[in-house]
Amino acid sequence: EIVMTQSPATLSVSPGEGATLSCRASQSVRGNLAWYQQRPGQAPRLLIYGASTRASGIPARFSGSGSGTEFTLTISSLQSEDFAVYYCQQYNNWPPFTFGPGTKVDIK
Amino acid sequence: EMQLVESGGRWIQPGGSLRLSCVPSGFTVNDNYMTWVRQAPGKGLEWVSVIYGGGDTFYADSVKGRFTISRDNSKNSLYLQMNSLRAEDTAVYSCANIAYDVSTGSTGFFDSWGPGTLVTVSS
Repeated sequence: EIVMTQSPATLSVSPGEGATLSCRASQSVRGNLAWYQQRPGQAPRLLIYGASTRASGIPARFSGSGSGTEFTLTISSLQSEDFAVYYCQQYNNWPPFTFGPGTKVDIK
Repeated sequence: EMQLVESGGRWIQPGGSLRLSCVPSGFTVNDNYMTWVRQAPGKGLEWVSVIYGGGDTFYADSVKGRFTISRDNSKNSLYLQMNSLRAEDTAVYSCANIAYDVSTGSTGFFDSWGPGTLVTVSS
């Protein structure tokens, strides 16, 4: 099973600032990596798939990069609705699908 | 727009059984790979089970032998039968559609999620 880790666990950011979230896989997942956003009380929402492709309707301030074992989600100029928990998920070797533990982005 | 709605969650005692349902709109269950994911209170996302378009099924080790995923094409519904429930099964259970990336041929990311249904296992 591929183990996913994320850092940091919590990121405090001021509105308008940028944020960089990291995700690491225990073995290569090539480019088969997705990012999800989960706001409180809501279902997860797909942001990025294929490590760098934005899902339909996702603003351009969200960008993904990386391949193999190291991935990054960058949010430029955080808006109020961006304060949420972000999860990465590998889909290179499945089942099982595996998620990272999440990074909470909160208001500084 | 693809939407999913789950139902069937409730409080239940350890050892009991429960069947969750998921009804999509905007697509049919028989054409798609579909999955169940759960989230314990205050915790992260945990994959539970998947059903392929052809009917093959797979489970997380934590639920293998206790949970069964299925679908009824005539009712356009996805199900999760949960037996021998334990306190650690307490979670919000969400169904999701597994998407396909036409540019790479890869599949396995979840592009539509239901809001989930809460299962509480407690005495």
